[in-house]
Amino acid sequence: RKEVEQDPGPFNVPEGATVAFNCTYSNSASQSFFWYRQDCRKEPKLLMSVYSSGNEDGRFTAQLNRASQYISLLIRDSKLSDSATYLCVVNGAGGTSYGKLTFGQGTILTVHP
Amino acid sequence: GAVVSQHPSRVICKSGTSVKIECRSLDFQATTMFWYRQFPKKSLMLMATSNEGSKATYEQGVEKDKFLINHASLTLSTLTVTSAHPEDSSFYICSARSRTEPGQPQHFGDGTRLSIL
Repeated sequence: RKEVEQDPGPFNVPEGATVAFNCTYSNSASQSFFWYRQDCRKEPKLLMSVYSSGNEDGRFTAQLNRASQYISLLIRDSKLSDSATYLCVVNGAGGTSYGKLTFGQGTILTVHP
Repeated sequence: GAVVSQHPSRVICKSGTSVKIECRSLDFQATTMFWYRQFPKKSLMLMATSNEGSKATYEQGVEKDKFLINHASLTLSTLTVTSAHPEDSSFYICSARSRTEPGQPQHFGDGTRLSIL
């Protein structure tokens, strides 16, 4: 089983659509969770951290379910500029793996007019 | 916000050449930096963890003699790809974790696109 698993997509949605991405992780001791976005041939950029209580940043909502080891990202009112690859990222347990980020394979989103 | 600078951004060189990539934290101190590699249409894969003043920790399957890492100061880590071959062509990205805020998200450099002919 992969440490971090995402549906690779691609997701093709019209502007204004709502789209949801899911992610599961295998290490129950993982400490922190993030969504990054990566544009073509660029470095990953932090989109938002993910908390158990759920958190929202504008059109973006992230949720974490530790019991199910499941992370989600919801994008509302999609914009053309949201087109990118969305990476689910998990920070490992303490000790030698502390600070080690494990990336999912990414979910490709294309928003079209 | 915190900035990580990576240099060079693009390298094209002949097979057998050694290539050095620098990763600098510009406005914070980083005791730990991470080196990733990303092949086309694949996710980032951690290669090694660079620790200031000590030896790097390599992930399974990554040759430490092939990918030399030096982290001589709190703001600079270097990755040297020795005797590079076409299969080493990839996108190499570093990230840094703040010494004073280890629980915060890591900051990534712009990446280095390496092409070996």
